[in-house]
Amino acid sequence: GAVVSQHPSWVICKSGTSVKIECRSLDFQATTMFWYRQFPKQSLMLMATSNEGSKATYEQGVEKDKFLINHASLTLSTLTVTSAHPEDSSFYICSARVTSYRDRGSYGYTFGSGTRLTVV
Amino acid sequence: GQSLEQPSEVTAVEGAIVQINCTYQTSGFYGLSWYQQHDGGAPTFLSYNALDGLEETGRFSSFLSRSDSYGYLLLQELQMKDSASYFCADFSNTGKLIFGQGTTLQVKP
Repeated sequence: GAVVSQHPSWVICKSGTSVKIECRSLDFQATTMFWYRQFPKQSLMLMATSNEGSKATYEQGVEKDKFLINHASLTLSTLTVTSAHPEDSSFYICSARVTSYRDRGSYGYTFGSGTRLTVV
Repeated sequence: GQSLEQPSEVTAVEGAIVQINCTYQTSGFYGLSWYQQHDGGAPTFLSYNALDGLEETGRFSSFLSRSDSYGYLLLQELQMKDSASYFCADFSNTGKLIFGQGTTLQVKP
């Protein structure tokens, strides 16, 4: 099945530094990648949509200068948290949309394994 | 905007049946998906309803009523490993997947 590989799985960084998170689609081409953030005991909140070869689309309230997204190829999308602060500590997860093989042609989304970011 | 409402918590015993409801208000609705997420893990796809009616996948079934903007996930023969968070999600024509607030299911022995 379609697999998205996300790295790193966890990272601890100092306040003020930047952290890059990578998501690679291993056996399919992901023209679109979705980036989510999840705080403890809360839902996944969509941050932005990255499209290969074009600028990312950010959801309302998400600072595009703080969360830099690059989707330079059909298999790689990156999220960089710039000048990270403790309030950015969260679980970040990427997702790509794939076509399943179910008889009704339903669509599913495959997720990376997530990155636990802790800013100290 | 889009919103999906679910109960925050549900508790049931092993072997029982539990139903997790989801009501939604969205534009450009295509279908309702259900995902399971264990603590610290990624969401895993459970089921998808594009049409009204019941979809059955093993112990899990999902139902959709477009006229009522309502769906549910039915879990049968509950096992301890089913303790997790369950999210309904709206797959809309924008291509985005928007999640409900999630329901934490606790299965007790």
